Amino acid sequence: GDSVTQMEGPVTLSEEAFLTINCTYTATGYPSLFWYVQYPGEGLQLLLKATKADDKGSNKGFEATYRKETTSFHLEKGSVQVSDSAVYFCVVVTNAGKSTFGDGTTLTVKP
Amino acid sequence: DVKVTQSSRYLVKRTGEKVFLECVQDMDHENMFWYRQDPGLGLRLIYFSYDVKMKEKGDIPEGYSVSREKKERFSLILESASTNQTSMYLCATKYGTTYEQYFGPGTRLTVT
Repeated sequence: GDSVTQMEGPVTLSEEAFLTINCTYTATGYPSLFWYVQYPGEGLQLLLKATKADDKGSNKGFEATYRKETTSFHLEKGSVQVSDSAVYFCVVVTNAGKSTFGDGTTLTVKP
Repeated sequence: DVKVTQSSRYLVKRTGEKVFLECVQDMDHENMFWYRQDPGLGLRLIYFSYDVKMKEKGDIPEGYSVSREKKERFSLILESASTNQTSMYLCATKYGTTYEQYFGPGTRLTVT
């Protein structure tokens, strides 16, 4: 079946550090890929998405590129802020509409 | 903006009680979902509904049932709560064949 493997957390960084959270997936066909973010005490919200190979999703300084050859969708940000502290989920959605979530990676950014 | 609300943020119930978790959305989305979120396990789909009175089992439906009598409301029912159902429960909605889901704030249920 479909699966998503995310970098294990927790990840702790200092403010202005570079962030990478790795995500690889297995899925049939041509899935769409998403990153969701969950701030403390809140539900998940969409951070960015990519719907076909080589697409780059971006939002709030975060980026991720859909790499079909490596089945990856790594999340990056050049300079993190304390307000980026949250749990990040990588999600694969197949053409049939089925969503598979990664386990989530907790990011803590210290001032 | 899509708004998804859940009836309680925190809930404490006793083993064996019948528990109702309610989710209401205001955007006329056809699809609604119930997930549970546990540390190290990500989100797991319990049930979903693609129309009024329609429901489909997700990956972990055992011990749960659902009800969708109106389009905007999707209820998750724990017929006889058990301690292993202590978890964060998240409701989500989705429009048509699009892929983005909109989540409620979650209900943290503790069963003692």
